[in-house]
Amino acid sequence: DTGVSQDPRHKITKRGQNVTFRCDPISEHNRLYWYRQTLGQGPEFLTYFQNEAQLEKSRLLSDRFSAERPKGSFSTLEIQRTEQGDSAMYLCASSPGRSGNTIYFGEGSWLTVV
Amino acid sequence: AQSVAQPEDQVNVAEGNPLTVKCTYSVSGNPYLFWYVQYPNRGLQFLLKYITGDNLVKGSYGFEAEFNKSQTSFHLKKPSALVSDSALYFCAVADNRDDKIIFGKGTRLHILP
Repeated sequence: DTGVSQDPRHKITKRGQNVTFRCDPISEHNRLYWYRQTLGQGPEFLTYFQNEAQLEKSRLLSDRFSAERPKGSFSTLEIQRTEQGDSAMYLCASSPGRSGNTIYFGEGSWLTVV
Repeated sequence: AQSVAQPEDQVNVAEGNPLTVKCTYSVSGNPYLFWYVQYPNRGLQFLLKYITGDNLVKGSYGFEAEFNKSQTSFHLKKPSALVSDSALYFCAVADNRDDKIIFGKGTRLHILP
């Protein structure tokens, strides 16, 4: 069973550019989560999906952020018009979807906005 | 809404001594509680979880955690610390009515040789 896969692992972009991250969950996991982590902090919830349905989006997430999971398999997280404050590690996780299930994380995608 | 608190930014323990990393939580319904570990520049790795049943939960690498409902705590413990246990530890909580999992800010565990 392969783990959660995230791509790219590292991204350096100029302020104002758009970036997109991809997450491939563990096969047959129907729940997928996105978190953001900055240095010295815990993962901050961004959004999560049950299959292709986006169940919740954090109020902390500005309109520049959008996530999709069009076929209920992989997911993308896009950040438009990046700002230096967007620099962080973006973590994806997946679970089988039943209450109380463990979520399994990918290795994360580091974003640096210069 | 659920929340979790890890009151210690860092815990220092001598190798071979027992360790405890503290966590308290708040949920509306019944809690689901988790511990994860993170090594530098890596994602989070699952250690253990409490869903229901026995209050003492055993997990990976010799770690265990004790669920205390009256104190709303879920402290992580290990009888004998190893230098390789040095890492960042996160407590997390969800409740049975909202599967969103919320993480604490983390506790850095430093095991001294």
